[in-house]
Amino acid sequence: QQPVQSPQAVILREGEDAVINCSSSKALYSVHWYRQKHGEAPVFLMILLKGGEQKGHEKISASFNEKKQQSSLYLTASQLSYSGTYFCGTEGTNDYKLSFGAGTTVTVRA
Amino acid sequence: ETGVTQTPRHLVMGMTNKKSLKCEQHLGHNAMYWYKQSAKKPLELMFVYSLEERVENNSVPSRFSPECPNSSHLFLHLHTLQPEDSALYLCASSQDSPLATNTGELFFGEGSRLTVL
Repeated sequence: QQPVQSPQAVILREGEDAVINCSSSKALYSVHWYRQKHGEAPVFLMILLKGGEQKGHEKISASFNEKKQQSSLYLTASQLSYSGTYFCGTEGTNDYKLSFGAGTTVTVRA
Repeated sequence: ETGVTQTPRHLVMGMTNKKSLKCEQHLGHNAMYWYKQSAKKPLELMFVYSLEERVENNSVPSRFSPECPNSSHLFLHLHTLQPEDSALYLCASSQDSPLATNTGELFFGEGSRLTVL
C-alpha cells in the first residue's frame, strides 16, 4: 500500500516555509524522505523510525507520528536549492518493503 | 555522483526488440533494486536482489527479466515491451539486505529513460 502525499505541488519564494505531508493506511516502522532534482537521481534526506522521532537536515526537518501513521517534512526559510520533487517512502511493521508516494514538486523562486 | 552508474541513459526500442539496461554500484553494498518511475506516479519497486539472490519480484510482467551476476552489477533484460512500459528505470543499492533489517539509505543511479515505440 503506497503512502499518499500532499500537496502535489507547492510554489514558494525564497525564505518562505512549507510543509509536505505523507500518510499511510498501514502501521509504519519507518518513513524515508528523498529529494529528486530534474534529470538527477533521487537523493536521500533522512529516515525516521517509529517512536515519534524528529530529524533534521540543514533547514529541512521531519516528524513522524506513529499513531496517526503520518510524517511531515518541514522546509524552513527555503532556498533556491530546495527546488525539486520530494518523495516519502514507508515501511510497514509487518513487511520491510519500501513503498513510495507520488511525490510533491517544490518550486522555490527568487 | 552517487556511486551508482546506469547505462544507457536513454533508450528507444520497438516492441519486438530485445535490449538490456545495466547498473553498476561502486559502494560495496549488499542489496540492489530496480524501480520504475512514471510521470505523476509513485516509484514502483520491481525487483530486489540481496547478495545476488532475488528476494522480491513485485508482480512484474515476464517481459522484464532481471539478472544479478555479482553484488556490483545488475541488469534488466527487456523484450517484447509495450508502449506503456515507457518510463524512467532507476537502479538503487543499499548497504544491508532489506530482509535483515529495515531498508537503509538507498543510493540511486540517474536512471535509464526508456521509450517504447
